[in-house]
Amino acid sequence: GQNIDQPTEMTATEGAIVQINCTYQTSGFNGLFWYQQHAGEAPTFLSYNVLDGLEEKGRFSSFLSRSKGYSYLLLKELQMKDSASYLCAVRDDKIIFGKGTRLHILP
Amino acid sequence: KAGVTQTPRYLIKTRGQQVTLSCSPISGHRSVSWYQQTPGQGLQFLFEYFSETQRNKGNFPGRFSGRQFSNSRSEMNVSTLELGDSALYLCASSTGVPGRNEQFFGPGTRLTVL
Repeated sequence: GQNIDQPTEMTATEGAIVQINCTYQTSGFNGLFWYQQHAGEAPTFLSYNVLDGLEEKGRFSSFLSRSKGYSYLLLKELQMKDSASYLCAVRDDKIIFGKGTRLHILP
Repeated sequence: KAGVTQTPRYLIKTRGQQVTLSCSPISGHRSVSWYQQTPGQGLQFLFEYFSETQRNKGNFPGRFSGRQFSNSRSEMNVSTLELGDSALYLCASSTGVPGRNEQFFGPGTRLTVL
C-alpha cells in the first residue's frame, strides 16, 4: 500500500532550527517534494529530492534516503512567518501527499 | 506569468445536486491534477490529466469525474453530492515532463454541501 507519515504538529522557537521528518512506503518512487501551506492558502513548492543526499536552498534544506524511505525538511533561523503546515509528497505514478505537519513558532 | 486560477472560489450546494469546478493552468503547462483537502484526511489525489487524457486516478467513487480541454483548462464534476464532499478542491498544474516537476496550486474552490 501507499503510506506517508509525518508528525501532526511541532513547536519551535523563533531563531531556532527545526527538523520535520517524513517516512514513506510507496510502490514506486520518482521523487519527493516538500510543500508549505499557510492557513487558508494553497500549498507552495519548497523542494524536490530524487537522489540521496541533502539539497540546500537558503534557510531550508531537504534530505532524502531512498533505501530507508526517509526524508526530512530542515528549517533554520526560524521566523514567525514560517508558522504553517509542511506537506511531504512522493511521486510514483501519481503524487501522494502526507497529512502535513503543522509547525507553530513561538516568539 | 499568470498563476493557476480556479472558479468559483466558494460554492454552496445541497445533497443530491451536482457541481462543476473549473481550473485554468499556467500558460504552457499541460498537466492538471485535482485534489480534495479536508482537515481529517489532508490532500487526497483525485485525478491527473495530461494533453486531454486522464493519466492517473485516485481512489474516489465514480461520482467524481473530470476532463481536460485542448487549451489545457480542466473541469471536475461531482454528481449526487453528499455531505462528506464538503472540502477544499485544489487544482495544480505542471509541465507534465518527467523528473523535477513541481506542481503549482490554484487558490482552491471551497465547496460546502448542506
